[in-house]
Amino acid sequence: GQNIDQPTEMTATEGAIVQINCTYQTSGFNGLFWYQQHAGEAPTFLSYNVLDGLEEKGRFSSFLSRSKGYSYLLLKELQMKDSASYLCAVMDSNYQLIWGAGTKLIIKP
Amino acid sequence: IAGITQAPTSQILAAGRRMTLRCTQDMRHNAMYWYRQDLGLGLRLIHYSNTAGTTGKGEVPDGYSVSRANTDDFPLTLASAVPSQTSVYFCASSDSLAGGHEQFFGPGTRLTVL
Repeated sequence: GQNIDQPTEMTATEGAIVQINCTYQTSGFNGLFWYQQHAGEAPTFLSYNVLDGLEEKGRFSSFLSRSKGYSYLLLKELQMKDSASYLCAVMDSNYQLIWGAGTKLIIKP
Repeated sequence: IAGITQAPTSQILAAGRRMTLRCTQDMRHNAMYWYRQDLGLGLRLIHYSNTAGTTGKGEVPDGYSVSRANTDDFPLTLASAVPSQTSVYFCASSDSLAGGHEQFFGPGTRLTVL
């Protein structure tokens, strides 16, 4: 079966760094996505990795290891507005997205 | 303003009633999707359409139907609503034919079936 695993909830302090992990087992792989979702709102795109390595975009970075079925999202210089759920999704062999349940990130002052 | 709109924003529905959730995009994206999101679960694909005139079943299609008469509109119909269809429904689109796999989401419809 297809499976995406990520922690249910994480807590971090404003100004700090946090790493959200995602492991996956899917039928085929055509890329891994990270989305941010604030409570009561729609998911919004953060990053896309299809090759191994680190992609940096401002305060956010995303890493992928295809051989390990593993990705992480790194958030630096945390701000209160980063309090949200972070969704990991893998595009399978049919180009459909398989979604994890999301990690709720709580930022404390 | 470019993007995806959904209607209604929220709805309370009696079990057994028919309901159509509307979704319209103005980005000329070829692909459109319907997801449901339930607490503790990831987004689950209900139906999708890769181009106007074609549709396909996702992970949880039972009890739902869709149509794609043109590029912009992708309505989702619940023929006879049941309480287990209480959820938040998101419509999304992507420009997949141009290699753009990023999906853009509408604001969602919160549906309660009693």
